[in-house]
Amino acid sequence: DTEVTQTPKHLVMGMTNKKSLKCEQHMGHRAMYWYKQKAKKPPELMFVYSYEKLSINESVPSRFSPECPNSSLLNLHLHALQPEDSALYLCASSQEGQAETQYFGPGTRLLVL
Amino acid sequence: DQQVKQNSPSLSVQEGRISILNCDYTNSMFDYFLWYKKYPAEGPTFLISISSIKDKNEDGRFTVFLNKSAKHLSLHIVPSQPGDSAVYFCAASAGSGYQLIWGAGTKLIIKP
Repeated sequence: DTEVTQTPKHLVMGMTNKKSLKCEQHMGHRAMYWYKQKAKKPPELMFVYSYEKLSINESVPSRFSPECPNSSLLNLHLHALQPEDSALYLCASSQEGQAETQYFGPGTRLLVL
Repeated sequence: DQQVKQNSPSLSVQEGRISILNCDYTNSMFDYFLWYKKYPAEGPTFLISISSIKDKNEDGRFTVFLNKSAKHLSLHIVPSQPGDSAVYFCAASAGSGYQLIWGAGTKLIIKP
C-alpha cells in the first residue's frame, strides 16, 4: 500500500473561518510533510514532522498550524487565512530522513474568499 | 539560485514516438534524483528515481539517464501515450534529510 489519503478534496472558506485539513498514511513512514502548490509551480515545503515531532517549519505564517496526533495522521489547522493562501495543499510521507522516498496524497484544493 | 533546472516549459510529442524530458542540476552533493508526474489539481505521482551511483534506471516505458559529469538527467518515455500528457517535475535530494529540490516542471503534450 503506497497510498496517502487527504480530506477534504475541496474546501472553500472565508477569511474568518477555522478549518482543518487531514492526511493519513499506513506505510509505516515516520516522516510526514505539508506542501503548498500554486498552479504550474513546483510544491513548496511548509512543514516536516519526524517521529511525530515538528522538525522543519519553513517560516510559515502562524495562521497555518500543523499537528501530528500519531504516526499515521497529520493535520493542518487553518485560521484567518488570506485569499493569497488559495492553493493545492499536499501531504506527503517518507521513510525517516529519506526525502527520496516521498509519496504524495491527492491534495486538498483550498479557496479562500 | 536554481539548483535544479528544467529549461523547457513545454514539449509536444506525437503519440507513439519517444518523449525526452531534460533536467540540469548544479549541486554535486545531490545523490538521488526523482521524476514526478502531475495532473491538474492532483498531487504529484512518483514515476522513477535514480541514485547518483547509477547512470540508468528503467521501469517499463520509462527510463531515466544520469550524466554526472554534465550534471544532467533525462527521462525517456517510449512509446508516448495520450495518458502521459501531464506536467513532469524533476527533483533531487542530498544526503539524509527531508528536502527535495524541485525543477520548475515541463508540460508534456501527447498529440494523437
